[in-house]
Parts: sequence; C-alpha cells; structure tokens
Amino acid sequence: RKEVEQDPGPFNVPEGATVAFNCTYSNSASQSFFWYRQDCRKEPKLLMSVYSSGNEDGRFTAQLNRASQYISLLIRDSKLSDSATYLCVVNEAYKYIFGTGTRLKVLA
Amino acid sequence: NAGVTQTPKFQVLKTGQSMTLQCAQDMNHNSMYWYRQDPGMGLRLIYYSASEGTTDKGEVPNGYNVSRLNKREFSLRLESAAPSQTSVYFCASNRPGEQYFGPGTRLTVT
Repeated sequence: RKEVEQDPGPFNVPEGATVAFNCTYSNSASQSFFWYRQDCRKEPKLLMSVYSSGNEDGRFTAQLNRASQYISLLIRDSKLSDSATYLCVVNEAYKYIFGTGTRLKVLA
Repeated sequence: NAGVTQTPKFQVLKTGQSMTLQCAQDMNHNSMYWYRQDPGMGLRLIYYSASEGTTDKGEVPNGYNVSRLNKREFSLRLESAAPSQTSVYFCASNRPGEQYFGPGTRLTVT
C-alpha cells in the first residue's frame, strides 16, 4: 500500500462547478498535512495546510479525519485558473511524503 | 529574495557521465531536500539535510551523493549517470509547515 494515495483523475469540470479531491495516508503517526498545487512543468507550491478542525481559504476548504486517515480538498466555484495538479502531502518528522497528485481541468 | 534557486535548468548527459546539480536558498532555512519526479510516481525523496553538516538518505538514494556545503547550499551529484536517472529534480528548503521548491532541473540521460 502506498503511504499517500490519491485518485489521479483527471477531473474535468465546467467553470463554476464544485469539485472534491480525497487522499488517504497509511501512517497513523503522521503529524502534519498539506495540499500543494503544481502547474504543468513547474515546481509545487503550498496551497494550504490541513487542520483537524478543518480550514477554509476563500473558495478552498480542507478537512482532515485522523480516525479514517483521510484528507480532503473542496474547491467551490471553479475557475479556469484552478486547472493544475493537486498534491496531497503528509509530514513525518523531517520527511514530507507526496501523493502522486490529482489532475484537475476546468473547462470553459 | 530569490527563494530557492537551482542550476542548471536543463541537462543532457550520456550514460556514464557525471554531473552536479546545484541548489541554494536565501531564506536561512535549516532543512533542505532533493526530490525526483517521474510521471505517475509523484515526488520521491532522494536525500535530505536536516541541518548544516548532516545528510540522510531518503526513499531513492542509490546512484546519488549529496553535499551540504553550508547553510545555503545543498548539491546533488550523479557519479555515473544511467538512463533510469532521467527525471525532473527538485530542490526544496523547509520551515515548519511549508516546503519551498526551486524551479527544477530537467535531466535526460541517453
């Protein structure tokens, strides 16, 4: 079993749609959780951290369920500029473990 | 404030050649990392350095060596390049809660 698993997609959604991505992780001792965004042939950049209480940043909402070892990202009112690959990342001490990413394409 | 810089941006090597990928950060971060990214594989950790003077193996260290030259610089060396090392290499530095990545080096080994 991979340490961090994501549905690779692609998710093709129309502008304005709501889309949700899920991620599971295998190590219950994992300490911190993140979503990163990666545009084609570019470096990953932090989108948001994920907290047990859930957190929201504009159109983006992230949730963590430690009991189920599950992380989610919800994007509301999708924009063309949201088209990218979204990476689920789990931190264990000094290590950051990346999922393979979920591709999102927002269609006009 | 340039963040994390990497050189070169692109490189083509022949099998058996050696090269060093350079990485530098100007954010005064203690931790630095080298990853490779291959299609369908995600980012895989090659080596990391928790602080100046220390380095540790990651998930895929074979065929690579690293040097943490000082707090700013962390280099990755391929002693004898193989086609399996064709990849995109990212360097990153870290403060608690966030990794900052360089723009990547696209390496092809023929």
